[in-house]
Amino acid sequence: ELKVEQNPLFLSMQEGKNYTIYCNYSTTSDRLYWYRQDPGKSLESLFVLLSNGAVKQEGRLMASLDTKARLSTLHITAAVHDLSATYFCAVGINTDKLIFGTGTRLQVFP
Amino acid sequence: GAVVSQHPSRVICKSGTSVKIECRSLDFQATTMFWYRQFPKQSLMLMATSNEGSKATYEQGVEKDKFLINHASLTLSTLTVTSAHPEDSSFYICSASTGRLNTEAFFGQGTRLTVV
Repeated sequence: ELKVEQNPLFLSMQEGKNYTIYCNYSTTSDRLYWYRQDPGKSLESLFVLLSNGAVKQEGRLMASLDTKARLSTLHITAAVHDLSATYFCAVGINTDKLIFGTGTRLQVFP
Repeated sequence: GAVVSQHPSRVICKSGTSVKIECRSLDFQATTMFWYRQFPKQSLMLMATSNEGSKATYEQGVEKDKFLINHASLTLSTLTVTSAHPEDSSFYICSASTGRLNTEAFFGQGTRLTVV
């Protein structure tokens, strides 16, 4: 059974600090996605990582993929309150089926 | 990115009734659509995969007779929750894909179903 685990599940961090969210998965895949979800809303696509070693950055967020280690990271630089949300990674299997991680609830406080 | 429209965004129904949720791809043809369910503070759980013109493929543990999925055209898939019970209350999200390898799936806005 495919497992996609995120660590930590909950993260409370101060504005201005850096932190990394980890996404481990248990099967071979070269497609990894990161999404943001605000309370009561659907998913917002953040990053699409399609190859080993892929690194993408958007604003204060940077995502990377290591397919050999079956690990993706989402790094937050100098956090701001607006980044407070739940972040999901999702692993692509077959053509475009996605299996979602457990989610990381991020809270950024002053 | 492509737009996927889900309707309704919120619905309240009585126990025992059925409710239909629509998922439309507005500016592309979706050969494949997915239906997810999300309980509060939990992750998204894939319920089923639907391909245009064929029967949906349900994930293990999902009752196909309770959650009827129809993918009648390349732009529309529907999920009908039949004989709804309070435990069916959840957030349902659809996504649509062109079906080509390494392309992104696009998500609808979600439907908050409350069964009373």
